[in-house]
Amino acid sequence: AQSVAQPEDQVNVAEGNPLTVKCTYSVSGNPYLFWYVQYPNRGLQFLLKYITGDNLVKGSYGFEAEFNKSQTSFHLKKPSALVSDSALYFCAVRDRWGNAGKSTFGDGTTLTVKP
Amino acid sequence: DTAVSQTPKYLVTQMGNDKSIKCEQNLGHDTMYWYKQDSKKFLKIMFSYNNKELIINETVPNRFSPKSPDKAHLNLHINSLELGDSAVYFCASSQGQGSSYNEQFFGPGTRLTVL
Repeated sequence: AQSVAQPEDQVNVAEGNPLTVKCTYSVSGNPYLFWYVQYPNRGLQFLLKYITGDNLVKGSYGFEAEFNKSQTSFHLKKPSALVSDSALYFCAVRDRWGNAGKSTFGDGTTLTVKP
Repeated sequence: DTAVSQTPKYLVTQMGNDKSIKCEQNLGHDTMYWYKQDSKKFLKIMFSYNNKELIINETVPNRFSPKSPDKAHLNLHINSLELGDSAVYFCASSQGQGSSYNEQFFGPGTRLTVL
């Protein structure tokens, strides 16, 4: 079985400050890990993914995420938050070797960036 | 040039009715999905098709029946609608299946309201 935990329902940061949205995962094998963002009344948009190799992954809109195998984490980060980053963020995991390609999504974290 | 499109965007109907939601992707992907997002924004996979073949079928009432006439289309038919079916339904697509590391592309969603 695979699972994803996003321990924070809500993250609040001031514009210009660094932000972190946390994600931990559990899979029986090796994971593929993804971050998606959802703006109000829109579908999810892909931000970045970890497949293999370098643990630091860079993605869209200045976001990056660090894969930590020992802590089974894949936290999303951005050095300087913008008000326009305010949205709902989902972490997702897929087992590399099974589960018919099914992705399991976390419950989402609402990021609010205040001016 | 919409990548993943869904119709209708909004659907309001009475309990007991039968309704369908259509999804089309023009990305040339061979895997398509249906997700349900509830009022708390939790996202759950319902079905996945690869090249018109059902590969993921989560614990969904058999009132829900997906149909894939070709790999660019995945429709969702719902019989005998219930109040609890009210949600936003998202269609998505991705390239590859099984252990694929490719991200998913989501449609804009269909907001279903059952009265």
